[in-house]
Amino acid sequence: EIVLTQSPGTLSLSPGERATLSCGASQSVSSSYLAWYQQKPGQAPRLLIYGASSRATGIPDRFSGSGSGTDFSLTISRLEPEDFAVYYCQQYGSSPMTFGQGTKVEIK
Amino acid sequence: EVQLLESGGGLVQPGGSLRLSCAASGFTFSRYAMSWVRQAPGKGLEWVSAISGGGDSTYYADSVKGRFTISRDNSKNTLYLQMNSLRAEDTALYYCAKGGFRQLVNYWGQGTLVTASS
Repeated sequence: EIVLTQSPGTLSLSPGERATLSCGASQSVSSSYLAWYQQKPGQAPRLLIYGASSRATGIPDRFSGSGSGTDFSLTISRLEPEDFAVYYCQQYGSSPMTFGQGTKVEIK
Repeated sequence: EVQLLESGGGLVQPGGSLRLSCAASGFTFSRYAMSWVRQAPGKGLEWVSAISGGGDSTYYADSVKGRFTISRDNSKNTLYLQMNSLRAEDTALYYCAKGGFRQLVNYWGQGTLVTASS
C-alpha cells in the first residue's frame, strides 16, 4: 500500500498570502495518477488538480500542482476567503487507492 | 450534468448489514469505474472500494475486504455496496464517486450516513 503523508497538518495564513501544501509518498507514484481535492465543511470533496499538475474544469489559475515520484505539492498563489478548507492528495494508480490525511488551511 | 445520489444509509447494530445504492445520471455509466469513499465524523477521506465499468474487476481496502461487496447494474445506472458484519469503526459518511482504479475521481455524491452502534 502506498502511504501518502501530507504536511503540514494545519497551515495558518492570511488572505492574499501564498500557501504551499506537500504530499509525500512511501513509494513512487505515477504523476498521471496523483490528484488534489478541496473539501469545505458539510460538502463533498471537489477535484482541483489531476495528473499532478493539470487543473480541473473551472478551477482558478491561482491553484497549481507540481511534483513527481514521491514528492508532490499544491500551491495557492494568493489565498482568497473561499480557499480556507481542507485539502487532500490521492493516488489512484496503485491498489489500494489511498488519500493523504489532509492539510487544513485556516485563517490566521 | 453528472449527478450521483446515494441512499440506504442508517443506524444498524454492530454485526448487522446494510446495502447502499448510488443512482447515477448525466454520463454513460457503463464506461466508467465507480468508487465508494467514506469519511468518519471529523476525520479524513478513506477509499473503500472500486469497480470497473463492466463490473468484472473489483478492488477493496484491507479494512473492508471479506465484509463488503461492491457491484453495479449498468442497465439501471446504479452502483451498490453490500456491507456485512458492520463494526463501530465503519460509522461514516459514505460517498459514491465517479472514477476508480486508474480513472480519475472527478465527481462525488453528497453521501449517505452509516452508523453502526448499539
